[in-house]
Amino acid sequence: AQSVSQHNHHVILSEAASLELGCNYSYGGTVNLFWYVQYPGQHLQLLLKYFSGDPLVKGIKGFEAEFIKSKFSFNLRKPSVQWSDTAEYFCAVNALSASKIIFGSGTRLSIRP
Amino acid sequence: DAMVIQNPRYQVTQFGKPVTLSCSQTLNHNVMYWYQQKSSQAPKLLFHYYDKDFNNEADTPDNFQSRRPNTSFCFLDIRSPGLGDAAMYLCATNQRGEETQYFGPGTRLLVL
Repeated sequence: AQSVSQHNHHVILSEAASLELGCNYSYGGTVNLFWYVQYPGQHLQLLLKYFSGDPLVKGIKGFEAEFIKSKFSFNLRKPSVQWSDTAEYFCAVNALSASKIIFGSGTRLSIRP
Repeated sequence: DAMVIQNPRYQVTQFGKPVTLSCSQTLNHNVMYWYQQKSSQAPKLLFHYYDKDFNNEADTPDNFQSRRPNTSFCFLDIRSPGLGDAAMYLCATNQRGEETQYFGPGTRLLVL
């Protein structure tokens, strides 16, 4: 069965620090990969996605993620975080053979002003 | 703006009293999903509709039912809510073949 692991449950950073949130998945076939973000009091929204092609994908608000197939990873990065990046971040995987996506348990990011 | 709308945003019900949550979409997507999200946990898929085809997750309790009368609307019925059903319920849509899902704001259910 597919699963998604986000090992960091809560990350606290100061403004301007660099960010990397880990995501690993278990599935041997072809996958689509997503990062969703949930700002306080708001709905889940897509941050970025990887379907195929360049394994380094760029999303909104300066975020990027790199798909490393050999490591089954899709880590999220941002070189310099802002206070407004405070949110919950969910990694998600969709196996091409399935019609649903599996979410990781989420990482709460807190940014100190 | 095209969007996924959920009503109500907050719902309070009594233990064992049936409750219905609604979701509507203006995206004309053919797939609609219902997720349950408890505090600090991942959204958990309950079921989804592909057009009128209903797909239930194996571990979704029988207490949870769904209806999709047309493309735009989908309902989540909880027949006899228990205290453990208190959660945020998320509706999402996508177009089959375009796997990005679009989420509504959720309905927070409180069971007294």
